[in-house]
Amino acid sequence: GIQVEQSPPDLILQEGANSTLRCNFSDSVNNLQWFHQNPWGQLINLFYIPSGTKQNGRLSATTVATERYSLLYISSSQTTDSGVYFCAVGFQGGKLIFGQGTELSVKP
Amino acid sequence: GAVVSQHPSRVICKSGTSVKIECRSLDFQATTMFWYRQFPKQSLMLMATSNEGSKATYEQGVEKDKFLINHASLTLSTLTVTSAHPEDSSFYICSARDQYEQYFGPGTRLTVT
Repeated sequence: GIQVEQSPPDLILQEGANSTLRCNFSDSVNNLQWFHQNPWGQLINLFYIPSGTKQNGRLSATTVATERYSLLYISSSQTTDSGVYFCAVGFQGGKLIFGQGTELSVKP
Repeated sequence: GAVVSQHPSRVICKSGTSVKIECRSLDFQATTMFWYRQFPKQSLMLMATSNEGSKATYEQGVEKDKFLINHASLTLSTLTVTSAHPEDSSFYICSARDQYEQYFGPGTRLTVT
């Protein structure tokens, strides 16, 4: 089946720093979403981005579908950005396959 | 964005009993919902796809008779963990899909003693 790999697995930042999280996938997909899982377990939708670039405040994402990767950029990080970031790729029928996540810790 | 609720948020049950978890899409209709399981410090694993008005589709390795799924309406899917055992203790999360995106419920933490 399809493989979804995220890097890095862990990341520690000082508040105010920028970061880039990467998601590689092994096959063509028709959906890609980025999520932030907060400490209580809730998955928060960040981006629906099967291709192209989107921005939402301090966050932006780019997916290059032909090269099978997506990037999530976090600028001017804040302590509230801490948590686990997942990318998930989707297929016809709506199934999502999740990567292993990047655990981000932002220190004050 | 769309809102998906789950109930209960936390449940503790004794080994051998059954537990039902409800998943509702509050502001949109979802012909398809999904159930995931997450162990501590791990990713989400898809368990099954719940289709309104038809049988659920289970992923390889998921026991159909242990995890009963019913999608009775366009806004409600239920997952029943039957004859629960301690190894079934986990975080169960449902999702519902609108035209493009999936939206996730807040999860149910199941502890089987």
